[in-house]
Amino acid sequence: KAGVTQTPRYLIKTRGQQVTLSCSPISGHRSVSWYQQTPGQGLQFLFEYFSETQRNKGNFPGRFSGRQFSNSRSEMNVSTLELGDSALYLCASGPGTGTYNEQFFGPGTRLTVL
Amino acid sequence: AQSVTQLDSQVPVFEEAPVELRCNYSSSVSVYLFWYVQYPNQGLQLLLKYLSGSTLVESINGFEAEFNKSQTSFHLRKPSVHISDTAEYFCAVTRSGGYQKVTFGIGTKLQVIP
Repeated sequence: KAGVTQTPRYLIKTRGQQVTLSCSPISGHRSVSWYQQTPGQGLQFLFEYFSETQRNKGNFPGRFSGRQFSNSRSEMNVSTLELGDSALYLCASGPGTGTYNEQFFGPGTRLTVL
Repeated sequence: AQSVTQLDSQVPVFEEAPVELRCNYSSSVSVYLFWYVQYPNQGLQLLLKYLSGSTLVESINGFEAEFNKSQTSFHLRKPSVHISDTAEYFCAVTRSGGYQKVTFGIGTKLQVIP
Protein backbone atom coordinates (compact mmCIF):
# COMPACT_ATOMS: atom_id res chain seq x y z
CA LYS A 1 0.00 0.00 0.00
CA ALA A 2 1.19 3.49 -0.74
CA GLY A 3 1.76 5.65 2.31
CA VAL A 4 0.32 9.02 3.18
CA THR A 5 1.34 11.67 0.68
CA GLN A 6 1.41 15.40 1.24
CA THR A 7 1.81 18.13 -1.33
CA PRO A 8 3.63 20.35 -1.67
CA ARG A 9 6.60 19.32 0.45
CA TYR A 10 7.92 22.87 0.76
CA LEU A 11 6.19 26.20 0.51
CA ILE A 12 7.27 29.79 0.94
CA LYS A 13 4.64 32.50 1.40
CA THR A 14 4.53 36.06 2.65
CA ARG A 15 2.50 37.52 5.48
CA GLY A 16 -1.12 38.09 4.63
CA GLN A 17 -1.29 35.47 1.91
CA GLN A 18 -3.26 32.28 2.16
CA VAL A 19 -2.15 28.72 1.56
CA THR A 20 -3.72 25.34 0.86
CA LEU A 21 -2.03 22.07 1.78
CA SER A 22 -3.11 18.69 0.50
CA CYS A 23 -3.08 15.22 2.03
CA SER A 24 -3.85 11.89 0.39
CA PRO A 25 -4.44 9.15 2.98
CA ILE A 26 -3.61 5.49 2.74
CA SER A 27 -6.15 3.68 0.61
CA GLY A 28 -9.11 2.60 2.73
CA HIS A 29 -8.46 5.06 5.54
CA ARG A 30 -11.36 7.33 6.35
CA SER A 31 -9.80 9.52 9.02
CA VAL A 32 -7.36 12.34 8.37
CA SER A 33 -5.81 14.41 11.15
CA TRP A 34 -3.68 17.52 10.81
CA TYR A 35 -0.93 18.66 13.16
CA GLN A 36 1.33 21.68 13.37
CA GLN A 37 4.88 20.88 14.44
CA THR A 38 7.22 23.62 15.71
CA PRO A 39 10.42 23.45 17.76
CA GLY A 40 9.62 23.64 21.45
CA GLN A 41 5.89 23.09 20.93
CA GLY A 42 5.93 19.60 19.54
CA LEU A 43 2.84 18.45 17.66
CA GLN A 44 -0.21 20.58 18.11
CA PHE A 45 -3.48 19.02 16.97
CA LEU A 46 -5.39 21.10 14.43
CA PHE A 47 -8.39 18.99 13.46
CA GLU A 48 -9.55 15.58 12.35
CA TYR A 49 -11.92 14.67 9.56
CA PHE A 50 -13.81 11.41 9.27
CA SER A 51 -16.08 10.62 6.36
CA GLU A 52 -16.09 14.27 5.22
CA THR A 53 -17.10 15.59 8.66
CA GLN A 54 -14.90 17.38 11.16
CA ARG A 55 -14.91 15.10 14.16
CA ASN A 56 -12.38 16.78 16.46
CA LYS A 57 -10.87 20.24 16.62
CA GLY A 58 -7.86 21.71 18.39
CA ASN A 59 -7.36 25.20 19.77
CA PHE A 60 -6.36 27.10 16.67
CA PRO A 61 -7.88 30.33 15.36
CA GLY A 62 -10.47 30.33 12.63
CA ARG A 63 -7.80 31.21 10.06
CA PHE A 64 -7.05 27.49 10.04
CA SER A 65 -9.66 25.41 8.28
CA GLY A 66 -9.92 22.13 6.52
CA ARG A 67 -12.12 19.84 4.57
CA GLN A 68 -12.29 16.27 3.42
CA PHE A 69 -13.53 14.97 0.12
CA SER A 70 -15.54 11.85 -0.64
CA ASN A 71 -12.36 9.97 -1.58
CA SER A 72 -10.96 10.81 1.90
CA ARG A 73 -8.36 13.23 0.53
CA SER A 74 -8.10 16.26 2.74
CA GLU A 75 -7.03 19.86 2.37
CA MET A 76 -6.01 22.36 4.98
CA ASN A 77 -6.22 26.09 4.42
CA VAL A 78 -4.56 28.90 6.34
CA SER A 79 -5.70 32.43 5.56
CA THR A 80 -3.99 35.72 6.37
CA LEU A 81 -0.67 34.07 7.10
CA GLU A 82 1.41 35.25 10.05
CA LEU A 83 5.11 34.74 10.70
CA GLY A 84 4.22 32.37 13.54
CA ASP A 85 2.50 30.03 11.12
CA SER A 86 5.90 28.88 9.87
CA ALA A 87 6.00 25.21 10.77
CA LEU A 88 5.95 21.65 9.54
CA TYR A 89 2.37 20.61 8.90
CA LEU A 90 1.81 16.89 9.29
CA CYS A 91 -1.09 14.88 8.09
CA ALA A 92 -1.95 11.47 9.53
CA SER A 93 -4.46 8.98 8.26
CA GLY A 94 -6.10 6.05 9.96
CA PRO A 95 -9.04 3.68 9.74
CA GLY A 96 -11.04 6.08 11.91
CA THR A 97 -12.60 3.36 14.03
CA GLY A 98 -11.33 0.57 16.20
CA THR A 99 -9.70 -0.11 19.51
CA TYR A 100 -7.43 2.89 19.35
CA ASN A 101 -6.53 5.83 17.16
CA GLU A 102 -4.00 4.22 14.85
CA GLN A 103 -2.31 6.93 12.83
CA PHE A 104 0.09 6.82 9.89
CA PHE A 105 1.94 10.03 9.17
CA GLY A 106 2.95 11.66 5.94
CA PRO A 107 6.31 13.40 5.47
CA GLY A 108 4.83 16.83 6.08
CA THR A 109 4.71 20.17 4.31
CA ARG A 110 7.31 22.68 5.44
CA LEU A 111 5.68 26.14 5.36
CA THR A 112 7.85 29.23 5.66
CA VAL A 113 6.16 32.60 6.06
CA LEU A 114 8.32 35.64 5.28
CA ALA B 1 -8.17 16.02 29.23
CA GLN B 2 -4.80 14.32 29.13
CA SER B 3 -1.30 15.73 28.82
CA VAL B 4 2.22 14.44 28.22
CA THR B 5 5.49 15.73 29.60
CA GLN B 6 8.84 14.89 28.07
CA LEU B 7 11.34 16.40 30.45
CA ASP B 8 14.40 16.19 28.22
CA SER B 9 14.42 18.17 24.99
CA GLN B 10 17.79 16.74 23.96
CA VAL B 11 19.69 13.64 25.03
CA PRO B 12 23.27 13.11 23.80
CA VAL B 13 24.64 9.60 24.27
CA PHE B 14 27.67 7.72 23.02
CA GLU B 15 27.24 4.87 20.60
CA GLU B 16 26.69 1.48 22.30
CA ALA B 17 25.74 3.18 25.58
CA PRO B 18 22.29 2.70 27.16
CA VAL B 19 19.67 5.43 26.96
CA GLU B 20 16.41 6.31 28.66
CA LEU B 21 13.98 8.89 27.31
CA ARG B 22 11.50 9.99 29.94
CA CYS B 23 7.78 10.44 29.51
CA ASN B 24 5.16 11.24 32.11
CA TYR B 25 1.48 11.62 31.44
CA SER B 26 -1.50 13.07 33.22
CA SER B 27 -5.00 11.70 32.86
CA SER B 28 -8.01 11.07 35.05
CA VAL B 29 -9.04 8.02 33.02
CA SER B 30 -7.41 4.90 31.64
CA VAL B 31 -5.03 5.55 28.77
CA TYR B 32 -3.20 4.04 25.86
CA LEU B 33 0.41 5.14 25.41
CA PHE B 34 2.65 5.39 22.37
CA TRP B 35 6.17 6.23 21.32
CA TYR B 36 6.75 7.61 17.84
CA VAL B 37 10.08 8.26 16.12
CA GLN B 38 10.78 10.96 13.55
CA TYR B 39 13.89 10.75 11.38
CA PRO B 40 15.13 13.92 9.64
CA ASN B 41 12.81 15.17 6.89
CA GLN B 42 10.29 12.43 7.53
CA GLY B 43 6.95 12.04 9.25
CA LEU B 44 6.41 10.17 12.49
CA GLN B 45 6.49 6.39 12.67
CA LEU B 46 4.96 4.33 15.46
CA LEU B 47 7.74 2.71 17.49
CA LEU B 48 5.70 0.87 20.12
CA LYS B 49 2.42 1.05 21.97
CA TYR B 50 0.82 0.03 25.24
CA LEU B 51 -2.87 -0.81 25.10
CA SER B 52 -3.31 -3.40 27.86
CA GLY B 53 -1.75 -6.55 29.27
CA SER B 54 1.98 -6.74 29.90
CA THR B 55 3.32 -3.40 31.07
CA LEU B 56 6.59 -3.96 29.21
CA VAL B 57 6.35 -3.47 25.46
CA GLU B 58 9.10 -3.87 22.89
CA SER B 59 9.86 -2.67 19.38
CA ILE B 60 11.53 -4.61 16.60
CA ASN B 61 14.71 -2.52 16.79
CA GLY B 62 15.56 -3.09 20.43
CA PHE B 63 13.66 -0.31 22.18
CA GLU B 64 11.36 -1.08 25.09
CA ALA B 65 9.03 0.94 27.28
CA GLU B 66 7.37 0.16 30.56
CA PHE B 67 3.97 1.42 31.62
CA ASN B 68 4.04 2.43 35.27
CA LYS B 69 0.56 3.40 36.39
CA SER B 70 1.54 4.47 39.92
CA GLN B 71 4.18 6.84 38.60
CA THR B 72 2.19 7.74 35.47
CA SER B 73 5.25 7.12 33.36
CA PHE B 74 6.09 5.40 30.09
CA HIS B 75 9.86 5.75 29.74
CA LEU B 76 11.62 4.51 26.62
CA ARG B 77 14.85 2.55 26.96
CA LYS B 78 17.47 0.89 24.82
CA PRO B 79 20.45 -0.99 26.27
CA SER B 80 22.83 -0.12 23.43
CA VAL B 81 22.21 2.66 20.91
CA HIS B 82 23.42 2.91 17.32
CA ILE B 83 24.16 5.91 15.16
CA SER B 84 21.01 5.10 13.20
CA ASP B 85 18.91 5.74 16.33
CA THR B 86 19.61 9.46 16.03
CA ALA B 87 16.13 10.94 15.67
CA GLU B 88 13.42 12.76 17.57
CA TYR B 89 11.17 10.68 19.78
CA PHE B 90 7.63 11.60 20.74
CA CYS B 91 5.57 10.18 23.56
CA ALA B 92 1.81 10.26 23.06
CA VAL B 93 -1.30 9.43 25.05
CA THR B 94 -4.91 8.82 24.26
CA ARG B 95 -7.91 7.96 26.33
CA SER B 96 -8.63 4.25 26.23
CA GLY B 97 -11.87 2.64 25.17
CA GLY B 98 -12.17 3.32 21.49
CA TYR B 99 -11.19 5.94 19.00
CA GLN B 100 -9.96 9.09 20.76
CA LYS B 101 -7.82 12.13 20.04
CA VAL B 102 -4.07 11.64 20.58
CA THR B 103 -2.01 14.13 22.58
CA PHE B 104 1.71 14.33 21.86
CA GLY B 105 4.65 15.48 23.95
CA ILE B 106 7.07 18.11 22.68
CA GLY B 107 9.64 15.51 21.67
CA THR B 108 13.13 14.47 22.74
CA LYS B 109 16.03 14.65 20.31
CA LEU B 110 18.33 11.70 20.71
CA GLN B 111 21.82 12.39 19.42
CA VAL B 112 24.07 9.37 19.24
CA ILE B 113 27.73 10.32 19.30
CA PRO B 114 30.23 8.05 17.53
